[in-house]
Parts: sequence; C-alpha cells; structure tokens
Amino acid sequence: NAGVTQTPKFQVLKTGQSMTLQCAQDMNHNSMYWYRQDPGMGLRLIYYSASEGTTDKGEVPNGYNVSRLNKREFSLRLESAAPSQTSVYFCASSERTGVITGELFFGEGSRLTVL
Amino acid sequence: KNEVEQSPQNLTAQEGEFITINCSYSVGISALHWLQQHPGGGIVSLFMLSSGKKKHGRLIATINIQEKHSSLHITASHPRDSAVYICANSRYGSARQLTFGSGTQLTVLP
Repeated sequence: NAGVTQTPKFQVLKTGQSMTLQCAQDMNHNSMYWYRQDPGMGLRLIYYSASEGTTDKGEVPNGYNVSRLNKREFSLRLESAAPSQTSVYFCASSERTGVITGELFFGEGSRLTVL
Repeated sequence: KNEVEQSPQNLTAQEGEFITINCSYSVGISALHWLQQHPGGGIVSLFMLSSGKKKHGRLIATINIQEKHSSLHITASHPRDSAVYICANSRYGSARQLTFGSGTQLTVLP
C-alpha cells in the first residue's frame, strides 16, 4: 500500500502565484486533513474533511481553499501565495470512531517557499 | 483553550539509556497520539491511547487521564531513535481537530 501520497514535494512560488497541493490515500479513510508545520510550532490544522463532499475550516484557513474530490483525494489550493505561507505542508488521513480520531497516516510533506 | 505542553524540548542521551518524554494537556480529551518525525521530515504514528499503557517493541506509552499527562518511554535507546517526538490530543466535542505539542528533539549518541 502506498498510504498517503502528496505532491509536489518541493515548490517555489512568487508572491501572488497560485498552486494546488494534491493528496491521495488508498486506505479507504473517511477523514482527511491538511496541516502546516512551521519552525518552533506544532502542526496546525488548515482544513479538515470528515467525508467525501464535506470540508471544515481548521485553525489557520485564511488564504487557502480545499476540495474533497472523492473519498481518496483532498487537495489544497493557494489562490494568491504570500510569503507567510512559506511552510511545510502535510496531508494526513484517519478513520474516526465516534469521538475518537484513529491512527493518523501522513504524507511525506510538501516544502513550499514563497518569495 | 486546549494547550499541549511537551518536555523536554531537547534531549540528548547516550546509546542504551532509558528515555522519557512528557506531555501535559489542559482539557479533557478523548484520545492522545504519539508521533515520530524522522530527520528527513516524514511523520509516523507510534501510539494512540485513551487510557492505561501501550507497548510496541522498545517503546512504551502511558497516560494518566486524571492528571492530564502522558509519557513516552524508550528503553535501550539507539541512535536510530533520534527524531522529533510529537504528542497530540483530541478533545471531547472537537475530535476533528487534534492539538499538537511543539515536539521533543531526541538525539541518541553512539
């Protein structure tokens, strides 16, 4: 099993450019997440999707949009990139049973630099 | 506010030592996760627990719900255990959102 696959692994953008980070999981999980990781800070949730067709804002959603295309895929779009969005982005998936978020599976991360 | 504090922030040990990493949180939770982030950046899940103790190889995770505290222990540490260890919790009523600690950087010297 590939687990969680995200692309691209590295990207350099100029301020104002747009891009989409792609994520796909092959574990039939309902829940998918996009996080960003900045130096000295914990992972912060950007957006969350509990199931196909649903998305919810996380802690830091401003400047981002998401699409849960189907059960496998969850994409993150930066419409107009800003230097503050320079970060490492992680996609993750899990099952959820009742109120408990199950084991998390992460993609390898995407390092984005906005100049 | 759900706050997750890890200690120590940095830890250097000699190969073979017993290691403890602590995680404290401020609200009632439904589950606590321990994650390992490799030097290359990848993140893997080590444990998910809501009570008691779990063991996997040389790794042991414990949680005390009343004291709002969890520990990750590594027995007979090895240089390959060098990584960042992250705890995260999901609180009652907000299970969709995990709150992460900022991580503990562990370096095990040969």
